[in-house]
Amino acid sequence: EPEVTQTPSHQVTQMGQEVILRCVPISNHLYFYWYRQILGQKVEFLVSFYNNEISEKSEIFDDQFSVERPDGSNFTLKIRSTKLEDSAMYFCASSDPTGQPQHFGDGTRLSIL
Amino acid sequence: AQTVTQSQPEMSVQEAETVTLSCTYDTSENNYYLFWYKQPPSRQMILVIRQEAYKQQNATENRFSVNFQKAAKSFSLKISDSQLGDTAMYFCAFMKRGGGSNYKLTFGKGTLLTVNP
Repeated sequence: EPEVTQTPSHQVTQMGQEVILRCVPISNHLYFYWYRQILGQKVEFLVSFYNNEISEKSEIFDDQFSVERPDGSNFTLKIRSTKLEDSAMYFCASSDPTGQPQHFGDGTRLSIL
Repeated sequence: AQTVTQSQPEMSVQEAETVTLSCTYDTSENNYYLFWYKQPPSRQMILVIRQEAYKQQNATENRFSVNFQKAAKSFSLKISDSQLGDTAMYFCAFMKRGGGSNYKLTFGKGTLLTVNP
């Protein structure tokens, strides 16, 4: 069964550094998403992306965040200047045009020191 | 805005028994989807079951079934014949249907289910 893959599985970064989280969505999906889960808390929507544009973003997704589809297979989330509170598990998901179900990757655990 | 409430932070069940996890939601939408996702200790997010709000028939997937009460805005998950591998955090989630490209899942806080041998 096709899967969403995310790399790296764990990223440790110094506060203030830039970090890029990578995702390869399911190949025939065109709708992409990033979610965040702070340890012990619920999963929160960050951003949705379609046709090379952001469709919707949450209040969490401020100017420090950006997303990009640099080629035909990857979908990235960049955090420009990381803060301690960015430490979380970041999930990428993709879907077909109905928007559901959304298939999730295994997540990237981001630790900011 | 939609909200999803899971009132049971933790539950436990004996292996082979049946357990029901509760979820309520609040929305003014009429067309939407509801989901249960499972997150085992490995922290993957795995889709367990989904329900389309316009369908009155409750969804079932093997040992997993839902009790969808649209008027009451309730969406509970029943796990029959519980197995040790069912031990996980279970999240209820809502998504508006027909939202164009603005799809997003709204999650509840989760219920940690432990299946005891």
